[in-house]
Amino acid sequence: GESVGLHLPTLSVQEGDNSIINCAYSNSASDYFIWYKQESGKGPQFIIDIRSNMDKRQGQRVTVLLNKTVKHLSLQIAATQPGDSAVYFCAENTGTASKLTFGTGTRLQVTL
Amino acid sequence: DTGVSQDPRHKITKRGQNVTFRCDPISEHNRLYWYRQTLGQGPEFLTYFQNEAQLEKSRLLSDRFSAERPKGSFSTLEIQRTEQGDSAMYLCASSHSQLAGAYNEQFFGPGTRLTVL
Repeated sequence: GESVGLHLPTLSVQEGDNSIINCAYSNSASDYFIWYKQESGKGPQFIIDIRSNMDKRQGQRVTVLLNKTVKHLSLQIAATQPGDSAVYFCAENTGTASKLTFGTGTRLQVTL
Repeated sequence: DTGVSQDPRHKITKRGQNVTFRCDPISEHNRLYWYRQTLGQGPEFLTYFQNEAQLEKSRLLSDRFSAERPKGSFSTLEIQRTEQGDSAMYLCASSHSQLAGAYNEQFFGPGTRLTVL
């Protein structure tokens, strides 16, 4: 993933609105992708994953979209709540590899 | 709590000292990973165990770093002769190779924040 130092991209949304967080990945061989949520002082928390043979997967209030043509991943959060405020990371992996490679984080701020 | 646990949560040390961190994975998980995260960045892979075997090490893992998983359960990460550049959050994650199939759903612990003065 790219380094962005101390200044993470920030997305501000109003409570109740939908949020869309985007991620570009670099390895065309990656075949598994995960979105993590990280709150301050805590470890990353698994949200949702998707395999490369799918282009969409839905969870509770979250949807992940995968566009392999342009190597782009997005996370949609419906009816965003204050508890959704955190930094969100996408991570990629190949099925035969071990490590996850994390992308640039995005800070989501939910305003009341 | 049946999640991944790490100890200590915070460690402050002086440059040149050795430190050791511990990770207890989810009990049925046979894979264990160490990552390092600096402020504003995503976690970076350091090393990975399957059972007690250390199968991969990143170039980030200098000779001052050593990790062990002697019985295939908990793991320790030791940093010798710490430097200020070692200051970071050290994260542990675990997964199960059979439950996850070929795909790598990793669950993270809360991390150990290291500050080297």
